[in-house]
Amino acid sequence: AQSVAQPEDQVNVAEGNPLTVKCTYSVSGNPYLFWYVQYPNRGLQFLLKYITGDNLVKGSYGFEAEFNKSQTSFHLKKPSALVSDSALYFCAVRDQAGTALIFGKGTTLSVSS
Amino acid sequence: GAVVSQHPSRVICKSGTSVKIECRSLDFQATTMFWYRQFPKQSLMLMATSNEGSKATYEQGVEKDKFLINHASLTLSTLTVTSAHPEDSSFYICSASRGTTEAFFGQGTRLTVV
Repeated sequence: AQSVAQPEDQVNVAEGNPLTVKCTYSVSGNPYLFWYVQYPNRGLQFLLKYITGDNLVKGSYGFEAEFNKSQTSFHLKKPSALVSDSALYFCAVRDQAGTALIFGKGTTLSVSS
Repeated sequence: GAVVSQHPSRVICKSGTSVKIECRSLDFQATTMFWYRQFPKQSLMLMATSNEGSKATYEQGVEKDKFLINHASLTLSTLTVTSAHPEDSSFYICSASRGTTEAFFGQGTRLTVV
């Protein structure tokens, strides 16, 4: 069975500092990995995905993530955080195209000015 | 990019009534649609998977007679919460797939049962 772990309920970072939101996964076969962001009472906004190819994936709003197969991780990163980045972030995985995404529990990112 | 429209965005209903939530893929044909439920500050839990023209597949613990899913066309799936109770109050989100690696999400529906 597929699963995603986001070990941190909350990440706090000062504006301008780099941020990392952690994600590890478990899936049989090759993983399709995703990051989404959610603002209060809103749907999910797609940030980036890893399907194949370069392990470093660049996405929307300056975010990037690195796929590490040996550590089964897909951590989300941004070099310089903005207050507007404060939101709930979800890592998700699927094991093949067309199947449902399985989500982690989410990590609340709080960026202080 | 592909657009998924979910309606209504917010609904309040009385206990015992039924509520229908629509999920439409506006510019592509969705071979599969997924319905998720999200409790406050928690993750999205997959409720069911529906393929056009066939019965939905429900996840363990989800009552299929309570959460009726219809996927009558390649652009529309509906979730009906029957005989709603306050514990059904939640945020419901649909997702549509066209069989590729992408997953497209609706804006979500906030259901409050009073």
